[in-house]
Amino acid sequence: QVQLVESGGGVVQPGRSLRLSCAASGFTFGSYDMHWVRQAPGEGLEWVARISYDNSKTYYPDSAKGRFTISRDNSKNTLYLQMNSLRADDTAMYYCARDSWGPDMWGQGTMVTVSS
Amino acid sequence: DVVLTQTPLSSAVTLGQPAAISCRSSQSLVHSDGNTYLTWLQQRPGQPPRLLIYKVSKRLSGVPDRFSGSGAGTDFTLMISRVEAEDVGVYYCMQPSQFPHTFGQGTKLEIK
Repeated sequence: QVQLVESGGGVVQPGRSLRLSCAASGFTFGSYDMHWVRQAPGEGLEWVARISYDNSKTYYPDSAKGRFTISRDNSKNTLYLQMNSLRADDTAMYYCARDSWGPDMWGQGTMVTVSS
Repeated sequence: DVVLTQTPLSSAVTLGQPAAISCRSSQSLVHSDGNTYLTWLQQRPGQPPRLLIYKVSKRLSGVPDRFSGSGAGTDFTLMISRVEAEDVGVYYCMQPSQFPHTFGQGTKLEIK
């Protein structure tokens, strides 16, 4: 069945880096744009990044620009989010989502906690 | 950036009664391709979000027909015709059309 499984979260100190992964299965991964969306504890949803189906275009909000990098390996059906210079306010559940006129399929998320 | 403002922020509804959530955009969401890309998502407690409605009014496969979306330009509405217990959660509008993509603040739906 169609599935997205995130991994790579954990506890990290401020200023350090972390790379999240999202393994896709059950659909033609290379045909879809993909998103990362995060949710701080008890808060709403925040869009973090988007990448085109062919890896040619990436998009970020100002809060992620320059620190986060979205990428993908279509041969491995995997999406990535490289996060550098992490701050306490990056603490959140990070979800990957497939795009089809909007984020139509979501993973269960991976938790990132930035704390000393 | 496009700001999406949802009202109400919380709603308590009797089982079997209708519920309506409004989403107002600070800019027109009509894309250059002529489509309007406004989506509605449901997040049940402890679960990831789930897409209900895309392109204003199109229900995703498997979404019950008691959910409907309407609107145009800058004003949009999610309607639940008869609320059921499984509808409890937070509902978000989201625009995947302009960058940065943005979400509404969320509307918490509870059973009265």
